[in-house]
Amino acid sequence: GENVEQHPSTLSVQEGDSAVIKCTYSDSASNYFPWYKQELGKGPQLIIDIRSNVGEKKDQRIAVTLNKTAKHFSLHITETQPEDSAVYFCAAIYMKTSYDKVIFGPGTSLSVIP
Amino acid sequence: DAGVIQSPRHEVTEMGQEVTLRCKPISGHDYLFWYRQTMMRGLELLIYFNNNVPIDDSGMPEDRFSAKMPNASFSTLKIQPSEPRDSAVYFCASRSTLNEKLFFGSGTQLSVL
Repeated sequence: GENVEQHPSTLSVQEGDSAVIKCTYSDSASNYFPWYKQELGKGPQLIIDIRSNVGEKKDQRIAVTLNKTAKHFSLHITETQPEDSAVYFCAAIYMKTSYDKVIFGPGTSLSVIP
Repeated sequence: DAGVIQSPRHEVTEMGQEVTLRCKPISGHDYLFWYRQTMMRGLELLIYFNNNVPIDDSGMPEDRFSAKMPNASFSTLKIQPSEPRDSAVYFCASRSTLNEKLFFGSGTQLSVL
């Protein structure tokens, strides 16, 4: 089955700096890669996703890049703000058969220091 | 839409007691998932339903756990009898067949003493 690794497990950055979180996956058939943000006391919330036919996607200060050859994808947050502090989860999914069993990475706890 | 609604937000109970967690998915969503989150194991899928039918319950840890979905707008996760190791945050999530985006509720923080 799919295995998703995520690094780092914790990340501290100064406000205004960039943050990068990386994930690797094992199933080369995976074709959908969502990222979730979980704030304290809340459920995970989808912030951005990318499909395998795209190498990069950007939404304001958030971007995701995908390298299918190397089987890894990354979340980039620029100009970080204190409200970006949260736990971030990645997932890699093969939409046709395994989506129903979304396997999440272990999470990255991001702290943005004012 | 109000999103996925879970109740209660917090539950404290004693070992051996029955616990029932409730979930109302987003209207129109035909998939419903129950996840458990702990520091040690992260987000684990327990069971999911499609059109109110349980499809895969291989993640349910033991026979003490059971889940039902009597209609498209309501699901329960029951633990009987509860044990301290069941303490965790339990999330319900839903999505539509037409869209891969998964929406989570705010979770139920369960503490079994």
